[in-house]
Amino acid sequence: EVQLVESGGGLVQPGGSLRLSCTASGFTFNSFWMSWVRQAPGKGLEWVANINQDEGEKYYVDSVKGRFTVSRDNAKNSLFLQMNSLRAEDTAVYYCARDQRDSKYAVWDVWGKGTTVTVSS
Amino acid sequence: DIVMTQSPDSLAVSLGERATINCKSSQSLLYNSNNKDYFAWYQQKPGQPPKLLVYWASTRESGVPDRFSGSGSGTDFTLTISSLQAEDVAIYYCQQYYSIPLTFGGGTKVEIK
Repeated sequence: EVQLVESGGGLVQPGGSLRLSCTASGFTFNSFWMSWVRQAPGKGLEWVANINQDEGEKYYVDSVKGRFTVSRDNAKNSLFLQMNSLRAEDTAVYYCARDQRDSKYAVWDVWGKGTTVTVSS
Repeated sequence: DIVMTQSPDSLAVSLGERATINCKSSQSLLYNSNNKDYFAWYQQKPGQPPKLLVYWASTRESGVPDRFSGSGSGTDFTLTISSLQAEDVAIYYCQQYYSIPLTFGGGTKVEIK
């Protein structure tokens, strides 16, 4: 079964850091671009970042540039999101998603269930 | 950034009736070199992640019922549910993948009348 499972979410104070992980199974992880997409409580979807197969290309939404870093470990079938200098507006469910297109211009055909990040004092 | 605007914000449709959702992009999503619109639709049910329904504006994802159809080109797109079923209650999002940042519409909530 093709599956993505996120972990690492939690409650963190403003200015703090958190590292999210996503473990893939059921497909050849190192063949796909991967993304992080978030959803604030009661709000819509927002693409956060994506990364190509060999980490040679990474793209971010402006609101997280310089604070978040996307990375991957193909040997461990894992995707990561290092989040620093967290703000209240980063509070959201963070989804890991697989790009079906082999491109930074992504359409996502497989999604994890998400992990919740809450930034609050 | 490309802004995606969905309408209506919500709609209530009787079971078996047609539901129509619109999405307008702030610039054309038609890539001239391959004549494809870089546009997709997703369905999100409560407590679940989004599910891809349609890409290239009108290509149904594998396993998606044929009552779901996408149409449109350029800047104006439509998702039609030809005969609404109870399991179609959800929020529907449009998305452009023409340029970075990848952006979504605000969502349309579909309910049963």
